[in-house]
Amino acid sequence: AQSVAQPEDQVNVAEGNPLTVKCTYSVSGNPYLFWYVQYPNRGLQFLLKYITGDNLVKGSYGFEAEFNKSQTSFHLKKPSALVSDSALYFCAVRDGSGSARQLTFGSGTQLTVLP
Amino acid sequence: GAVVSQHPSWVICKSGTSVKIECRSLDFQATTMFWYRQFPKQSLMLMATSNEGSKATYEQGVEKDKFLINHASLTLSTLTVTSAHPEDSSFYICSARDILGEQFFGPGTRLTVL
Repeated sequence: AQSVAQPEDQVNVAEGNPLTVKCTYSVSGNPYLFWYVQYPNRGLQFLLKYITGDNLVKGSYGFEAEFNKSQTSFHLKKPSALVSDSALYFCAVRDGSGSARQLTFGSGTQLTVLP
Repeated sequence: GAVVSQHPSWVICKSGTSVKIECRSLDFQATTMFWYRQFPKQSLMLMATSNEGSKATYEQGVEKDKFLINHASLTLSTLTVTSAHPEDSSFYICSARDILGEQFFGPGTRLTVL
């Protein structure tokens, strides 16, 4: 079985400050990890993914995430937040070595960047 | 990048009627498509996995006779909500997986049943 936890329902940060959205995962095999962003009444937009290689992954709109195997975490970060970053963020995992090929999503974290 | 479209983007219908939602992969072939349901401020819940030319696989608790899925071609899957009721009101999102295993999401369809 695979699962994802996003421990924070809501994250507030001031514009210009760094932001972190937390994600931890559980899979029995190799984790394929993803971050998506969702704006109101819109579908999911892909931000970045980790499959293999460097633990620090850089993605769209200045976002990055660090894969930490020992802590089973894949936190999303951005050095300087923008008001336009305010949205709902989802972490997702897939077992890269398993037969189950669908994504499992976290519960989502609402990010609000205050001007 | 790959594009997935959904039509309609929103629909309002009367209780008891049926509604069809289309999901298309515009520039790639998708042997597998997924249908998700999302309630306000909640995560995506997988409803079913649709494979081209075969019957869909439904997740536990999802009524297959209520949510009819057809994946007739490599670029089109449809979800029909039959005899819709107000509790079926939700945001429905489809996703298509390409030959490399990458999954791309549609913009979603807002269904409101009066």
